Amino acid sequence: DAGITQSPRHKVTETGTPVTLRCHQTENHRYMYWYRQDPGHGLRLIHYSYGVKDTDKGEVSDGYSVSRSKTEDFLLTLESATSSQTSVYFCAISEGGLYEKLFFGSGTQLSVL
Amino acid sequence: KQEVTQIPAALSVPEGENLVLNCSFTDSAIYNLQWFRQDPGKGLTSLLLIQSSQREQTSGRLNASLDKSSGRSTLYIAASQPGDSATYLCAPTPGLTGGGNKLTFGTGTQLKVEL
Repeated sequence: DAGITQSPRHKVTETGTPVTLRCHQTENHRYMYWYRQDPGHGLRLIHYSYGVKDTDKGEVSDGYSVSRSKTEDFLLTLESATSSQTSVYFCAISEGGLYEKLFFGSGTQLSVL
Repeated sequence: KQEVTQIPAALSVPEGENLVLNCSFTDSAIYNLQWFRQDPGKGLTSLLLIQSSQREQTSGRLNASLDKSSGRSTLYIAASQPGDSATYLCAPTPGLTGGGNKLTFGTGTQLKVEL
């Protein structure tokens, strides 16, 4: 168990509202990631972080922003949610460093109506 | 852009069978490859990580092989059990990531092991 907690576990929101998802880790790992999982697309990387205030875009970053002000927290924000952002969102960390195994949180089911 | 294909998409076998899950990828310039399992409604669990310099990696009843030059990896499950029922995903890591572990995931093989 890599000590990853995602919150909330489930959220229903309306189109156009801002939404923030939180990923919290307890073990001070440097690398943290946000993925989304959709049927037929598998998991796709949204954003990742390689340290406090160090973030970069992934494959599907449009419409998302992230922040990492503390090692333990990585926030994903949908500035103005759209129905296409209905998905399951997973946070992950690399134990030990780059190129190491990824460990995933339990996910957040987000529905945008 | 890396593309990952997993065949078959779904598989149903009786308990006790040995089985092979296949993963193919288009860009052979990978650093390593990971196999994960995902239970319904849950996150992914890392099973095996195989380095590009390795040909095989074993953990219990699981054995992963990697043929980097041909862009293929297989996950062998020996003596399958109902508890092995899950979706299995493979994910190669590119050789140059510039600061992050940008895995590309296949869409998985959904395995059901029946009593």
